[in-house]
Amino acid sequence: DIQMTQSPSSLSAFVGDRVTITCRASQSISSYLNWYQQKPGKAPKLLIYAASSLQSGVPSRFSGSGSGTDFTLTISSLQPEDFATYFCQHSYRAPYTFGQGTKVEIK
Amino acid sequence: QVQLQESGPGLVKPSETLSLTCTVSGGSISYYYWSWIRQPPGQGLEWIGYIYNIGSTNYNPSLKSRVSISVDTSKNQFSLNVSSVTAADTAVYYCARADSSTWYSSDYWGRGTLVTVSS
Repeated sequence: DIQMTQSPSSLSAFVGDRVTITCRASQSISSYLNWYQQKPGKAPKLLIYAASSLQSGVPSRFSGSGSGTDFTLTISSLQPEDFATYFCQHSYRAPYTFGQGTKVEIK
Repeated sequence: QVQLQESGPGLVKPSETLSLTCTVSGGSISYYYWSWIRQPPGQGLEWIGYIYNIGSTNYNPSLKSRVSISVDTSKNQFSLNVSSVTAADTAVYYCARADSSTWYSSDYWGRGTLVTVSS
């Protein structure tokens, strides 16, 4: 199985800050990397697929980059509604494993 | 708009079989990859498996011996069975759709249903 490692596991930031979350795969996954946002008691929401493609309806302050084994999710200017937990997931081949999550909290 | 809704018992006894159904509305179930994903309380997400092409399946090896996913196209539903459950199977279970056009990411999700394994 391909292992996904996210960092950091949590972070605190101010509204308006630029936030970066990284995800590393245990082997190359080309660009088969997805990012999800999850708020308490809710299902995950797809933000980014194929490493850098913005899902329809997702604000442009979210962006993704990377290929191979190293990937990044960036929020250019953190908004109050962005405080949540973020997960990466690969979809290169089954099983489609997730990272352990990064909780973004208010500073 | 595609919508997914999980249904099934919220409480299952140890050693029994957990059975859940996902009803898909707003689109045909005859295409796409239909997945199950679970999340133990306070923990991360675990991909369980998917069904596609109305019968082909792929399961997480960690659960493969206990899991089966099936589809009923006449009802636009797909189902999950997990046998011989233990407390470790207690989780919120989500059904989701994966699409090849979005590189097999899960673009639509159900709200999730909590299943507790306890006697």
